[in-house]
Amino acid sequence: GAVVSQHPSWVICKSGTSVKIECRSLDFQATTMFWYRQFPKQSLMLMATSNEGSKATYEQGVEKDKFLINHASLTLSTLTVTSAHPEDSSFYICSARDHRTSGVTDTQYFGPGTRLTVL
Amino acid sequence: RKEVEQDPGPFNVPEGATVAFNCTYSNSASQSFFWYRQDCRKEPKLLMSVYSSGNEDGRFTAQLNRASQYISLLIRDSKLSDSATYLCVVSARFNNNDMRFGAGTRLTVKP
Repeated sequence: GAVVSQHPSWVICKSGTSVKIECRSLDFQATTMFWYRQFPKQSLMLMATSNEGSKATYEQGVEKDKFLINHASLTLSTLTVTSAHPEDSSFYICSARDHRTSGVTDTQYFGPGTRLTVL
Repeated sequence: RKEVEQDPGPFNVPEGATVAFNCTYSNSASQSFFWYRQDCRKEPKLLMSVYSSGNEDGRFTAQLNRASQYISLLIRDSKLSDSATYLCVVSARFNNNDMRFGAGTRLTVKP
């Protein structure tokens, strides 16, 4: 299947710093990528939909000025957590939709996730 | 009410057992349904899509009841390697741009 990578796989930072997470589709082009957040023992929550060449669409309750998303190319989307605080500590997962599979069963391939710990 | 609800478990079953998971969803306009598997501290991986007529993939059988807004997953002849968290996923759009995840049901298969 298609491969999606994330970098870094884990990061520990001090409160107030900004952290950038990269999501890459390695063997396909993804005009749409998605960013999720998962707290322990909870479900994945969609944060935003990232569209190549345009502004991201944020879910209700997600601050767009705090979680900056850039999708500058067909294989790369970045999520920057600005002025991170301990409550932002979570597992951040991206996914990319493979447009080679068209129709109602567009498949999302998930990256391995980035575990963020803010001290 | 959560958009997708699952029994969190845990389900602890012996090898070879048959186990069933249930999931209910609140949005009657939902169009696409999936079961994903997530291992500890890993990303979710697609297990199978769920079709209206029900579908089977080896030891796994998925059923959908639109009237009751209910999805199920049946695992027969459980293997140790089936131990994982199973996520019910629902999307209201045909292009699956808005996938909503349940919190998952934890399964442990024991020797």
